[in-house]
Amino acid sequence: DVKVTQSSRYLVKRTGEKVFLECVQDMDHENMFWYRQDPGLGLRLIYFSYDVKMKEKGDIPEGYSVSREKKERFSLILESASTNQTSMYLCASSLPTGWGWGQPQHFGDGTRLSIL
Amino acid sequence: DQQVKQNSPSLSVQEGRISILNCDYTNSMFDYFLWYKKYPAEGPTFLISISSIKDKNEDGRFTVFLNKSAKHLSLHIVPSQPGDSAVYFCAASPGGATNKLIFGTGTLLAVQP
Repeated sequence: DVKVTQSSRYLVKRTGEKVFLECVQDMDHENMFWYRQDPGLGLRLIYFSYDVKMKEKGDIPEGYSVSREKKERFSLILESASTNQTSMYLCASSLPTGWGWGQPQHFGDGTRLSIL
Repeated sequence: DQQVKQNSPSLSVQEGRISILNCDYTNSMFDYFLWYKKYPAEGPTFLISISSIKDKNEDGRFTVFLNKSAKHLSLHIVPSQPGDSAVYFCAASPGGATNKLIFGTGTLLAVQP
Protein backbone atom coordinates (compact mmCIF):
# COMPACT_ATOMS: atom_id res chain seq x y z
CA ASP A 1 0.00 0.00 0.00
CA VAL A 2 1.08 3.55 -0.71
CA LYS A 3 2.06 5.43 2.41
CA VAL A 4 2.00 9.21 2.48
CA THR A 5 3.09 10.59 5.83
CA GLN A 6 2.60 14.15 6.99
CA SER A 7 4.86 15.16 9.85
CA SER A 8 2.20 16.72 12.11
CA ARG A 9 -1.50 16.05 12.60
CA TYR A 10 -2.09 19.31 14.47
CA LEU A 11 -0.04 22.49 14.51
CA VAL A 12 -0.58 25.87 16.14
CA LYS A 13 1.52 28.83 15.02
CA ARG A 14 1.47 32.59 15.41
CA THR A 15 0.86 35.26 12.78
CA GLY A 16 4.06 36.19 10.96
CA GLU A 17 5.89 32.94 11.72
CA LYS A 18 7.52 30.91 8.96
CA VAL A 19 5.83 27.49 8.94
CA PHE A 20 7.09 24.26 7.41
CA LEU A 21 4.78 21.33 6.60
CA GLU A 22 6.56 18.13 5.63
CA CYS A 23 5.33 15.22 3.53
CA VAL A 24 7.06 11.93 2.72
CA GLN A 25 5.89 9.14 0.39
CA ASP A 26 7.33 5.66 0.13
CA MET A 27 6.19 4.57 -3.36
CA ASP A 28 8.78 6.31 -5.51
CA HIS A 29 6.06 8.48 -7.07
CA GLU A 30 7.16 11.24 -9.43
CA ASN A 31 4.23 13.56 -8.69
CA MET A 32 3.49 15.20 -5.36
CA PHE A 33 0.80 17.74 -4.45
CA TRP A 34 -0.22 20.11 -1.68
CA TYR A 35 -3.90 21.01 -1.14
CA ARG A 36 -5.86 22.87 1.44
CA GLN A 37 -9.38 21.83 2.39
CA ASP A 38 -11.88 24.38 3.67
CA PRO A 39 -15.60 23.89 4.39
CA GLY A 40 -17.72 24.41 1.29
CA LEU A 41 -14.66 24.85 -0.95
CA GLY A 42 -13.47 21.27 -1.40
CA LEU A 43 -9.80 20.59 -2.06
CA ARG A 44 -7.86 23.40 -3.68
CA LEU A 45 -4.43 22.83 -5.19
CA ILE A 46 -1.65 25.04 -3.82
CA TYR A 47 1.45 23.66 -5.56
CA PHE A 48 2.56 20.47 -7.21
CA SER A 49 5.84 18.90 -8.27
CA TYR A 50 6.44 16.42 -11.08
CA ASP A 51 10.12 15.77 -10.39
CA VAL A 52 12.89 16.63 -7.97
CA LYS A 53 13.49 20.40 -7.88
CA MET A 54 10.56 20.92 -10.29
CA LYS A 55 7.42 22.71 -9.14
CA GLU A 56 4.37 24.40 -10.57
CA LYS A 57 1.80 26.72 -9.06
CA GLY A 58 -1.67 25.40 -8.47
CA ASP A 59 -4.84 27.44 -8.11
CA ILE A 60 -4.00 29.27 -4.85
CA PRO A 61 -0.20 29.64 -4.51
CA GLU A 62 -0.17 33.11 -2.94
CA GLY A 63 1.55 33.15 0.45
CA TYR A 64 3.07 29.69 -0.04
CA SER A 65 6.23 28.18 -1.46
CA VAL A 66 7.44 24.59 -1.80
CA SER A 67 10.64 22.61 -1.82
CA ARG A 68 11.44 19.23 -3.32
CA GLU A 69 15.08 18.31 -2.83
CA LYS A 70 14.50 14.55 -2.75
CA LYS A 71 11.98 12.47 -4.67
CA GLU A 72 10.21 11.18 -1.58
CA ARG A 73 9.86 14.51 0.26
CA PHE A 74 7.76 17.56 -0.56
CA SER A 75 7.64 20.51 1.81
CA LEU A 76 5.10 23.32 1.97
CA ILE A 77 6.30 26.64 3.40
CA LEU A 78 4.14 29.46 4.69
CA GLU A 79 6.53 32.39 4.36
CA SER A 80 4.73 34.62 6.87
CA ALA A 81 1.71 32.89 8.35
CA SER A 82 -1.60 34.73 8.43
CA THR A 83 -4.92 33.86 10.06
CA ASN A 84 -6.55 33.18 6.67
CA GLN A 85 -4.13 30.29 6.23
CA THR A 86 -5.80 28.40 9.07
CA SER A 87 -6.94 25.24 7.32
CA MET A 88 -6.54 21.49 6.80
CA TYR A 89 -3.50 20.85 4.60
CA LEU A 90 -3.32 17.63 2.60
CA CYS A 91 -0.36 16.13 0.77
CA ALA A 92 -0.75 13.59 -2.04
CA SER A 93 1.43 11.63 -4.43
CA SER A 94 0.87 9.75 -7.68
CA LEU A 95 2.47 8.15 -10.68
CA PRO A 96 2.47 10.27 -13.83
CA THR A 97 -0.31 9.64 -16.36
CA GLY A 98 2.31 8.41 -18.82
CA TRP A 99 1.93 5.04 -17.09
CA GLY A 100 -1.60 4.73 -18.51
CA TRP A 101 -4.98 6.34 -18.13
CA GLY A 102 -4.94 8.80 -15.25
CA GLN A 103 -3.61 7.71 -11.92
CA PRO A 104 -5.25 8.11 -8.52
CA GLN A 105 -3.56 10.42 -6.07
CA HIS A 106 -2.85 8.94 -2.64
CA PHE A 107 -3.29 11.23 0.34
CA GLY A 108 -1.78 11.63 3.77
CA ASP A 109 -3.98 12.13 6.82
CA GLY A 110 -3.59 15.89 6.75
CA THR A 111 -2.26 18.59 9.05
CA ARG A 112 -4.78 20.76 10.86
CA LEU A 113 -2.98 24.12 11.03
CA SER A 114 -4.22 26.96 13.22
CA ILE A 115 -2.69 30.42 12.93
CA LEU A 116 -3.35 32.63 15.96
CA ASP B 1 -15.19 29.23 -12.06
CA GLN B 2 -16.02 25.82 -10.60
CA GLN B 3 -15.19 23.22 -13.25
CA VAL B 4 -16.34 20.28 -11.11
CA LYS B 5 -19.59 20.74 -9.19
CA GLN B 6 -21.31 18.69 -6.54
CA ASN B 7 -24.59 20.50 -6.08
CA SER B 8 -25.84 18.48 -3.11
CA PRO B 9 -23.91 19.35 0.06
CA SER B 10 -25.53 16.47 1.92
CA LEU B 11 -27.54 13.27 1.42
CA SER B 12 -29.30 11.00 3.91
CA VAL B 13 -30.12 7.37 3.07
CA GLN B 14 -31.47 4.38 4.98
CA GLU B 15 -29.19 1.41 5.54
CA GLY B 16 -29.60 -1.19 2.80
CA ARG B 17 -30.95 1.28 0.24
CA ILE B 18 -29.12 2.81 -2.72
CA SER B 19 -27.04 5.98 -2.34
CA ILE B 20 -26.60 8.08 -5.49
CA LEU B 21 -24.06 10.87 -5.45
CA ASN B 22 -23.89 13.24 -8.39
CA CYS B 23 -21.21 15.37 -9.99
CA ASP B 24 -21.27 17.71 -13.00
CA TYR B 25 -18.32 19.08 -14.92
CA THR B 26 -17.87 21.78 -17.52
CA ASN B 27 -14.63 20.90 -19.32
CA SER B 28 -15.10 18.41 -22.15
CA MET B 29 -11.32 17.79 -22.18
CA PHE B 30 -11.43 15.91 -18.86
CA ASP B 31 -10.45 12.31 -19.60
CA TYR B 32 -10.35 10.59 -16.22
CA PHE B 33 -12.72 10.82 -13.27
CA LEU B 34 -12.40 9.62 -9.69
CA TRP B 35 -14.36 9.37 -6.47
CA TYR B 36 -12.78 9.77 -3.06
CA LYS B 37 -14.20 9.12 0.37
CA LYS B 38 -13.13 11.14 3.40
CA TYR B 39 -13.73 10.51 7.08
CA PRO B 40 -13.21 13.39 9.57
CA ALA B 41 -9.56 13.88 10.60
CA GLU B 42 -8.33 11.54 7.84
CA GLY B 43 -7.08 12.10 4.32
CA PRO B 44 -9.26 11.27 1.29
CA THR B 45 -9.20 7.62 0.25
CA PHE B 46 -9.40 6.66 -3.41
CA LEU B 47 -12.61 4.73 -4.08
CA ILE B 48 -13.17 4.15 -7.80
CA SER B 49 -12.33 5.74 -11.14
CA ILE B 50 -13.44 5.74 -14.76
CA SER B 51 -11.77 6.81 -17.98
CA SER B 52 -13.61 8.81 -20.60
CA ILE B 53 -13.71 5.88 -23.02
CA LYS B 54 -16.07 3.99 -20.68
CA ASP B 55 -19.55 4.74 -19.37
CA LYS B 56 -19.58 2.43 -16.36
CA ASN B 57 -17.12 0.93 -13.91
CA GLU B 58 -18.04 -1.37 -11.05
CA ASP B 59 -16.16 -2.44 -7.93
CA GLY B 60 -18.16 -4.42 -5.41
CA ARG B 61 -20.90 -2.24 -3.96
CA PHE B 62 -19.64 0.83 -5.83
CA THR B 63 -20.48 1.72 -9.44
CA VAL B 64 -19.52 4.89 -11.26
CA PHE B 65 -21.48 6.03 -14.30
CA LEU B 66 -20.25 8.57 -16.82
CA ASN B 67 -22.53 10.45 -19.23
CA LYS B 68 -20.18 12.46 -21.44
CA SER B 69 -22.90 14.17 -23.45
CA ALA B 70 -24.44 15.52 -20.25
CA LYS B 71 -21.03 16.05 -18.59
CA HIS B 72 -22.36 14.16 -15.60
CA LEU B 73 -20.83 11.61 -13.28
CA SER B 74 -22.57 9.59 -10.57
CA LEU B 75 -21.56 7.15 -7.85
CA HIS B 76 -24.00 4.42 -6.80
CA ILE B 77 -23.52 2.57 -3.53
CA VAL B 78 -25.66 -0.56 -3.14
CA PRO B 79 -26.47 -1.57 -0.47
CA SER B 80 -25.56 1.42 1.67
CA GLN B 81 -24.01 0.70 5.07
CA PRO B 82 -23.53 2.95 8.14
CA GLY B 83 -19.75 2.75 7.59
CA ASP B 84 -20.26 4.50 4.24
CA SER B 85 -21.14 7.71 6.11
CA ALA B 86 -18.44 10.17 5.02
CA VAL B 87 -17.79 13.09 2.69
CA TYR B 88 -17.49 12.02 -0.96
CA PHE B 89 -15.47 14.08 -3.43
CA CYS B 90 -15.54 13.68 -7.18
CA ALA B 91 -12.46 14.71 -9.15
CA ALA B 92 -11.54 15.08 -12.80
CA SER B 93 -8.25 15.07 -14.66
CA PRO B 94 -7.59 17.37 -17.62
CA GLY B 95 -4.88 14.96 -18.78
CA GLY B 96 -1.17 15.58 -19.06
CA ALA B 97 1.74 13.81 -17.39
CA THR B 98 1.46 15.77 -14.16
CA ASN B 99 -1.82 14.04 -13.23
CA LYS B 100 -3.35 17.21 -11.86
CA LEU B 101 -6.88 16.76 -10.47
CA ILE B 102 -9.76 19.21 -10.09
CA PHE B 103 -11.99 18.42 -7.09
CA GLY B 104 -15.62 19.12 -6.39
CA THR B 105 -16.77 20.60 -3.09
CA GLY B 106 -17.95 17.32 -1.63
CA THR B 107 -21.21 15.67 -0.53
CA LEU B 108 -21.73 14.51 3.04
CA LEU B 109 -23.46 11.11 3.01
CA ALA B 110 -25.24 9.96 6.15
CA VAL B 111 -26.45 6.34 6.17
CA GLN B 112 -29.08 5.86 8.86
CA PRO B 113 -29.22 2.44 10.60
